[in-house]
Amino acid sequence: GAGVSQSPSNKVTEKGKDVELRCDPISGHTALYWYRQRLGQGLEFLIYFQGNSAPDKSGLPSDRFSAERTGESVSTLTIQRTQQEDSAVYLCASSLSRDNEQFFGPGTRLTVL
Amino acid sequence: RKEVEQDPGPFNVPEGATVAFNCTYSNSASQSFFWYRQDCRKEPKLLMSVYSSGNEDGRFTAQLNRASQYISLLIRDSKLSDSATYLCVVNQAGTALIFGKGTTLSVSS
Repeated sequence: GAGVSQSPSNKVTEKGKDVELRCDPISGHTALYWYRQRLGQGLEFLIYFQGNSAPDKSGLPSDRFSAERTGESVSTLTIQRTQQEDSAVYLCASSLSRDNEQFFGPGTRLTVL
Repeated sequence: RKEVEQDPGPFNVPEGATVAFNCTYSNSASQSFFWYRQDCRKEPKLLMSVYSSGNEDGRFTAQLNRASQYISLLIRDSKLSDSATYLCVVNQAGTALIFGKGTTLSVSS
């Protein structure tokens, strides 16, 4: 079946612009996660959605970052007023439930000029 | 103490070598453990789950030591294609899985 998909695969933007990244999880997966990975670094947890529960936003680095998820489907990560330090690969993952293995999408490579 | 700790390496080994990675975790209540593999500029992919009794998948063996709170990954007869970063992953009650920073393996001919 289809895996996790993300769009766009690459995004180049100017400092100060807003960007929106999209994630389509595997059908039936109730849990969805966003991570950031800077070049040569480990995964940085951003936010986690589980069904209809309130999301765990503890990893969002600033109030410029926000994410939404409609039910158990698509999620969007929005970064407002982008900064050069936001340049990274943004990875989305989904799983059947919180403690199950996560399946990752190919990521969106964001470059802020 | 960090929630999940791994030696970042790199581990540089010749083809055919046996190499082992350890990972320590801080939460004694953790119940789910995984090893993921991440190739350069690619997304992480599940390598294997880690079960209490230990488990083997071909050349790969994973073990869990609850008393000392660490998990290990053993790779036998290393191949060039094993070169990657290996991520240790542990669950923690009430939140998402915790990913370690990864251990880099480089296998050379």
